[in-house]
Amino acid sequence: KQEVTQIPAALSVPEGENLVLNCSFTDSAIYNLQWFRQDPGKGLTSLLLIQSSQREQTSGRLNASLDKSSGRSTLYIAASQPGDSATYLCAVRNSNYQLIWGAGTKLIIKP
Amino acid sequence: KAGVTQTPRYLIKTRGQQVTLSCSPISGHRSVSWYQQTPGQGLQFLFEYFSETQRNKGNFPGRFSGRQFSNSRSEMNVSTLELGDSALYLCASSLDTLNTEAFFGQGTRLTVV
Repeated sequence: KQEVTQIPAALSVPEGENLVLNCSFTDSAIYNLQWFRQDPGKGLTSLLLIQSSQREQTSGRLNASLDKSSGRSTLYIAASQPGDSATYLCAVRNSNYQLIWGAGTKLIIKP
Repeated sequence: KAGVTQTPRYLIKTRGQQVTLSCSPISGHRSVSWYQQTPGQGLQFLFEYFSETQRNKGNFPGRFSGRQFSNSRSEMNVSTLELGDSALYLCASSLDTLNTEAFFGQGTRLTVV
């Protein structure tokens, strides 16, 4: 059974720092991995999608990597800003079409 | 292009009642999935529909059901509501294959009292 873990559960850093969020999964038989952000009381915003054959994807200040063999993905945020404060979730898509979710990392960027 | 639209945004229901939630996917998307989010359990998969057929179902009781119409719009129904059904219900829209990106609506916040 696929399990997804995100570490740390919470992170607080000063504005301007670069930071890394981690996501690990137990079963490497995934189709893709997706990173989302969620603001309090809101829905999910897709940040990056990495297919199982890819190693990384970039969008602006965000870079996500995938190492399927070791069951790990990282989300790198460069030059963090207060507007980056949110909960970040990773999810892997398995062969049953469903997304399996981590519990999220709550990120606070201090001005 | 319009995103995923979920209605209503907020609902308050009494135990024992039933509720229907609606999701309109992005135009051209044929796959709609539903997820329940609670503080204790996180995000959990309910079911996925593609071209009006349920392709997969999560581990939820039979009180949770859904359907998809020919225009890809989907509804989710919960009967005999329990306090524990209070949650944010999220709908995701995808093109059609396993390898495509999932886009989410703003969710419906259901409170059962």
